[in-house]
Amino acid sequence: EAQVTQNPRYLITVTGKKLTVTCSQNMNHEYMSWYRQDPGLGLRQIYYSMNVEVTDKGDVPEGYKVSRKEKRNFPLILESPSPNQTSLYFCASSLQADYGYTFGSGTRLTVV
Amino acid sequence: GIQVEQSPPDLILQEGANSTLRCNFSDSVNNLQWFHQNPWGQLINLFYIPSGTKQNGRLSATTVATERYSLLYISSSQTTDSGVYFCAVSGSARQLTFGSGTQLTVLP
Repeated sequence: EAQVTQNPRYLITVTGKKLTVTCSQNMNHEYMSWYRQDPGLGLRQIYYSMNVEVTDKGDVPEGYKVSRKEKRNFPLILESPSPNQTSLYFCASSLQADYGYTFGSGTRLTVV
Repeated sequence: GIQVEQSPPDLILQEGANSTLRCNFSDSVNNLQWFHQNPWGQLINLFYIPSGTKQNGRLSATTVATERYSLLYISSSQTTDSGVYFCAVSGSARQLTFGSGTQLTVLP
């Protein structure tokens, strides 16, 4: 089944403890991106990747890192999480940037 | 960047009713998609429709790119249609920008 898989689905962590949210797609898509969703602010793009080893900042990249070493994986790294990074995170992939997106099921992160 | 406005912000329907959701955007687009976020938070791609008309069962969508708007039609609504409907667009910057959504509630 074609899908985008995010892990974990839920995570509670403490301020400053490094964490990684994984994202993997099995559709051989070139384009992948990360979004966060917050009440009143909607969905905002954090980082995106046009292809392997090509990444760029979205609208809200501060406090996040990404890497794209393989086509299928696009992990989101929070080196030193803070409470303002408490949010619902989505990974998405697409054949290319101007095609339809498939979203993962989301990761609900709470930083205390 | 491109501005995306969706209307109405909230919509309450009786099961079986039809509805039209609107998405206006401020510039020419290469990509326009409609998504449904169900009550469990999952984002489901309904249509990839930068122009033209598409239909999928009870749902259809039309984008008039020259006039910078898109419409999502839901016919014979069911309670499972409840959730938030998002329009998202991207232009030359190739960053998908989401509207603020339409919260749809279908009552039994």
